[in-house]
Amino acid sequence: NAGVTQTPKFRVLKTGQSMTLLCAQDMNHEYMYWYRQDPGMGLRLIHYSVGEGTTAKGEVPDGYNVSRLKKQNFLLGLESAAPSQTSVYFCASRPGGRLNEKLFFGSGTQLSVL
Amino acid sequence: EDQVTQSPEALRLQEGESSSLNCSYTVSGLRGLFWYRQDPGKGPEFLFTLYSAGEEKEKERLKATLTKKESFLHITAPKPEDSATYLCAVQAWGAQKLVFGQGTRLTINP
Repeated sequence: NAGVTQTPKFRVLKTGQSMTLLCAQDMNHEYMYWYRQDPGMGLRLIHYSVGEGTTAKGEVPDGYNVSRLKKQNFLLGLESAAPSQTSVYFCASRPGGRLNEKLFFGSGTQLSVL
Repeated sequence: EDQVTQSPEALRLQEGESSSLNCSYTVSGLRGLFWYRQDPGKGPEFLFTLYSAGEEKEKERLKATLTKKESFLHITAPKPEDSATYLCAVQAWGAQKLVFGQGTRLTINP
């Protein structure tokens, strides 16, 4: 059981380039999330999805887009990367229900924007 | 605005030296408080959920407690493998997101 898998693990972009981060989970979870983690800032929610075909904005959505065409996949896109988007990105998932209890996290994508 | 502040930022202990990590929070209405452990280069791993003041949960050498304003993560007789960053997060009623603190980086020296 792989859990939550993120690809790629590392990426370097130039300002203005675009890219897509892929998150895949094999636990049949309803809810999926994208967080970014920056030194001294804690984890901050970018976008989330409560089910296939749905997405919603989180705390820091600007500059990012997401799609959840299949239940097991949650894509995070950067249309025009900026240095402020240099961060570690984590995807997480959980079963449906009322609580955020026991989020399952991937191992992260380290992104540098030059 | 919901906020979480963790202290200290970093803590070094000798193996076997017990201590506590603090998580102070302000939230409009607490639905749950969560503790996660994060090892370098990995994603956070769930430890505990606490729901109401007075609640306690234990797992091996860790015990989490909750009051109306803060939570403590007590570490008893720690071992080097307990070295990690410990994250605290809160969820308010009606909110989808967790609000995370910056974490406490714990190092246990053998």
